[in-house]
Amino acid sequence: EPEVTQTPSHQVTQMGQEVILRCVPISNHLYFYWYRQILGQKVEFLVSFYNNEISEKSEIFDDQFSVERPDGSNFTLKIRSTKLEDSAMYFCASSAGGSSPLHFGNGTRLTVT
Amino acid sequence: GENVEQHPSTLSVQEGDSAVIKCTYSDSASNYFPWYKQELGKRPQLIIDIRSNVGEKKDQRIAVTLNKTAKHFSLHITETQPEDSAVYFCAASRSGGSNYKLTFGKGTLLTVNP
Repeated sequence: EPEVTQTPSHQVTQMGQEVILRCVPISNHLYFYWYRQILGQKVEFLVSFYNNEISEKSEIFDDQFSVERPDGSNFTLKIRSTKLEDSAMYFCASSAGGSSPLHFGNGTRLTVT
Repeated sequence: GENVEQHPSTLSVQEGDSAVIKCTYSDSASNYFPWYKQELGKRPQLIIDIRSNVGEKKDQRIAVTLNKTAKHFSLHITETQPEDSAVYFCAASRSGGSNYKLTFGKGTLLTVNP
């Protein structure tokens, strides 16, 4: 079964540094998402992306965050200047559209020190 | 925006018993309600979902019911097994087009004791 893949599985960075989290959605999917989950808490929506533009974003997704689909396969989340509170598991997800469900990747655990 | 409340936060059952997890939502325009199972350190995995045009859906030992009037939906697991132990999240969204801006509940830690 095709899967959403994310790299790296774990990223440690210092406060103020930029990080890029990478995702390869399922190949025929058209809708892409980032969610995050702070340890022990619920999963929270960050942003959705379709047709090469952001379709919706949450209040968490401020100017420090950006997304990009640089080529036909990758989907990235950039945090420009990380803060301690950005430490979380970041999940990429994709869907094919219509009534097909959302598929999550295995996540990248970001630790900001 | 949407708000999803989930209860209980923890649930412990004996193997073979049934487990029920309940969620309420606030946005009457929400029309898609998935349930995810998350094992420790792993991705959320969709186990069942329901759309607002049906009241109940079943898949083997798992069923979901939806009451649109009361704005609540429930997950039912029958004949529980130790491998059902995990955190279960409910979620709700308006799936206009296929925009899955899911709002999740806080999760239920289900423990199935052998």
